[in-house]
Amino acid sequence: EVHLLESGGGLAQPGKSLRLSCAASGFTFSSYAMNWVRQAPGKGLEWVSAIGVSDDTFYADSVKGRFTISRDDSKNTLYLQMNSLRAEDTAIYYCAKAVIGAPPYFDYWGQGTLVTVSS
Amino acid sequence: DIQMTQSPSTLSASVGDRVTITCRASQYISDWLAWYQQKPGKAPKLLIYKASSLQSGVPSRFSGSGSGTEFTLTISSLQPDDFATYYCQRYNNYWAFGQGTKVEIK
Repeated sequence: EVHLLESGGGLAQPGKSLRLSCAASGFTFSSYAMNWVRQAPGKGLEWVSAIGVSDDTFYADSVKGRFTISRDDSKNTLYLQMNSLRAEDTAIYYCAKAVIGAPPYFDYWGQGTLVTVSS
Repeated sequence: DIQMTQSPSTLSASVGDRVTITCRASQYISDWLAWYQQKPGKAPKLLIYKASSLQSGVPSRFSGSGSGTEFTLTISSLQPDDFATYYCQRYNNYWAFGQGTKVEIK
């Protein structure tokens, strides 16, 4: 059974940094592209970032230059390094597994971790 | 960027009703469209991919149709477990979601 477990969320001041993790199990992690999607309180879903199996990375314009996605296939873990945090980055952050094939959609999601940016 | 617009934003319905949600793309996206269901406090769940393909394990009362720029999600007979928020997602040229449609009890 596919399982994705996010961690690392919490309260951060504007301008500071946080690193999110997503521990994956139940599938061959190294064979799948992975994504981060966020949801601001009471709002809809916003794709944030993606990483392919060859470490190719993609970002939404809203986080480009501030966030860095990475993966450690030896640990079956996905990361999101978030720098220069802003109040508008406050959201639940979900990791999502992409299907094999192009273009890929997301077939499994974690339960999310809450990031709050406030002074 | 190709924008996704859902309608309505909120839909009030009763158990047993046939429900239809519309998603429009601002440009042609072929059939690269997925639908997700999200309940409060929970992660989104994949229902439909490639506009009309039912994800494994999803009840057959859910169906999707459309191609190009206009798509629909239909629930043939609304069940108590179906009251939730539904999102469409295009997955060509990166990813983007519609703003969501909340299906609430009438």
